[in-house]
Amino acid sequence: NAGVMQNPRHLVRRRGQEARLRCSPVKGHSHVYWYRQLPEEGLKFMVYLQKENIIDESGMPKERFSAEFPKEGPSILRIQQVVRGDSAAYFCASSSGFRGRDEKLFFGSGTQLSVL
Amino acid sequence: DAKTTQPPSMDCAEGRAANLPCNHSTISGNEYVYWYRQIHSQGPQYIIHGLKNNETNEMASLIITEDRKSSTLILPHATLRDTAVYYCIVRVASGANSKLTFGKGITLSVRP
Repeated sequence: NAGVMQNPRHLVRRRGQEARLRCSPVKGHSHVYWYRQLPEEGLKFMVYLQKENIIDESGMPKERFSAEFPKEGPSILRIQQVVRGDSAAYFCASSSGFRGRDEKLFFGSGTQLSVL
Repeated sequence: DAKTTQPPSMDCAEGRAANLPCNHSTISGNEYVYWYRQIHSQGPQYIIHGLKNNETNEMASLIITEDRKSSTLILPHATLRDTAVYYCIVRVASGANSKLTFGKGITLSVRP
């Protein structure tokens, strides 16, 4: 019974490169959430997706960041032209969506992005 | 923004009960109270959630006041491994706002 799987666990990029973070939700879950945690700070919501749709992207930076959750395959958080300020832990969570607010989110172990 | 307020930190002795308070005075009638914790840099871990009634599971108990303006998370027998940041979260109405909004949480330190 696999939980939320995120990979890679650690990702190192140089400034200007692209970073792709993957999230495989719990089997059967169609709702995915991405969060970012900067060093010594709290978890900040970025985006909420259902299969093939972005539902809430109110926490996504306007530029360089994008997210998708295709019909098949994992959810991808993509950061183009990374800068040092993008260095953070990125967490993904999933839920089935069947019970709305009365349903817990399962979180992955995160991807630690380091930008040199 | 988070709809809850928590003290920044507290400690308790190993083996004793840890009672973590949370205020959510603006909670709406259909909004749930969730508790998560984050141990060091790991992913947040679900603890418990509730709407009106008190809840208990294998990890903790959640006591919600009758007016629902505050709640208390109880870890009945704290261990050193319970040292973590604990987040009390009010999950707002459904639809596009199904996300959990984390505040600063309370840092619980369990001492030997």
